[in-house]
Amino acid sequence: DTGVSQDPRHKITKRGQNVTFRCDPISEHNRLYWYRQTLGQGPEFLTYFQNEAQLEKSRLLSDRFSAERPKGSFSTLEIQRTEQGDSAMYLCASRVAETYEQYFGPGTRLTVT
Amino acid sequence: GENVEQHPSTLSVQEGDSAVIKCTYSDSASNYFPWYKQELGKRPQLIIDIRSNVGEKKDQRIAVTLNKTAKHFSLHITETQPEDSAVYFCAASRLVGGGYNKLIFGAGTRLAVHP
Repeated sequence: DTGVSQDPRHKITKRGQNVTFRCDPISEHNRLYWYRQTLGQGPEFLTYFQNEAQLEKSRLLSDRFSAERPKGSFSTLEIQRTEQGDSAMYLCASRVAETYEQYFGPGTRLTVT
Repeated sequence: GENVEQHPSTLSVQEGDSAVIKCTYSDSASNYFPWYKQELGKRPQLIIDIRSNVGEKKDQRIAVTLNKTAKHFSLHITETQPEDSAVYFCAASRLVGGGYNKLIFGAGTRLAVHP
């Protein structure tokens, strides 16, 4: 499968725990995005990487959230001290520099109990 | 702030009929407008997109139209089939310095095509 992959696909955690998600973009894609999607809504932009540089963070991304892309390939999104309001689908997307099209991964569904 | 409004929220049609979904965007600098189809439990899939220098684009049974003056764009699906049933999202974005284009999504339209 040469598409965007995400791991894990599902995560159930207790409030207050830390969680980390991973995204592997399509191999030649140097642009990487994280979005969050809640039930019945469209995805909301969280953050953007160009290679290893994080160039924008949404105001939705509180200080409990941190994202990295250390070698410009895979990316991780960590949520510290999870809250019930963090329950959502976390989607990763990637694209090549020369085009506009973003391709999404299958997402990680987070449930905070 | 940036906003995309999408209507209707639900749409029910008979197989073979046409379906139209409309979106309005607020950022006049937006220059790229993709449409995604999302089936239950699956990833959003890009089905068609249009750039601001084009008024219409067609791909088999789907087409998108753009009116930059009115800041709205629409998705048209002709000869609908049951497998077209899904949630459809419109989005808008613009290139800024550095070339990134975060997508601002509408809330989605749930399309049901009945045999």
